Amino acid sequence: NAGVMQNPRHLVRRRGQEARLRCSPMKGHSHVYWYRQLPEEGLKFMVYLQKENIIDESGMPKERFSAEFPKEGPSILRIQQVVRGDSAAYFCASSADPNQPQHFGDGTRLSIL
Amino acid sequence: GQQLNQSPQSMFIQEGEDVSMNCTSSSIFNTWLWYKQDPGEGPVLLIALYKAGELTSNGRLTAQFGITRKDSFLNISASIPSDVGIYFCAGHPNTNAGKSTFGDGTTLTVKP
Repeated sequence: NAGVMQNPRHLVRRRGQEARLRCSPMKGHSHVYWYRQLPEEGLKFMVYLQKENIIDESGMPKERFSAEFPKEGPSILRIQQVVRGDSAAYFCASSADPNQPQHFGDGTRLSIL
Repeated sequence: GQQLNQSPQSMFIQEGEDVSMNCTSSSIFNTWLWYKQDPGEGPVLLIALYKAGELTSNGRLTAQFGITRKDSFLNISASIPSDVGIYFCAGHPNTNAGKSTFGDGTTLTVKP
């Protein structure tokens, strides 16, 4: 499967714990985007990364959220000290360049107890 | 920030009917995209539009990029049960922008 791979598909955390969401882009894609989706809503942009660089993080909450896309390995979206309001589906997308359409993974559904 | 208004919010149609949905924006987009999302899965790209006035088809789907660059529509002809899902429009405000702005989706239900 050469598509965008996200894991885990489902993640349950208690309030105050950390959540780590992983995304491996499509082969040949070096641009990665993270989105959050609440029930019955569209996707809201969070952050755009290109290998080792954060290009646009205008959609990221100022605290507790961080993202990285290292030279080797998947992109990671990290949420520290999770709260109930962090419960959502988090989607990763990738593209070959920023002018090309983005292709999405199947998301990670985060539930906070 | 930019917002997309997508309508209708939901549609209930009979199998075989045609469907039309649209998106409007207060600002100009250089690219319009249409995606479909099935439950528990990520959005799948249906059609990409890059030029004002462009009309593009993908099987029974047809989408147009509005002349003003502030709107787009998606038509589905002769709907079938597997067309059920949520359809999202998305726009890029300018080249090299990277991020997409999404509408809130149109939920389509097709009755056999």
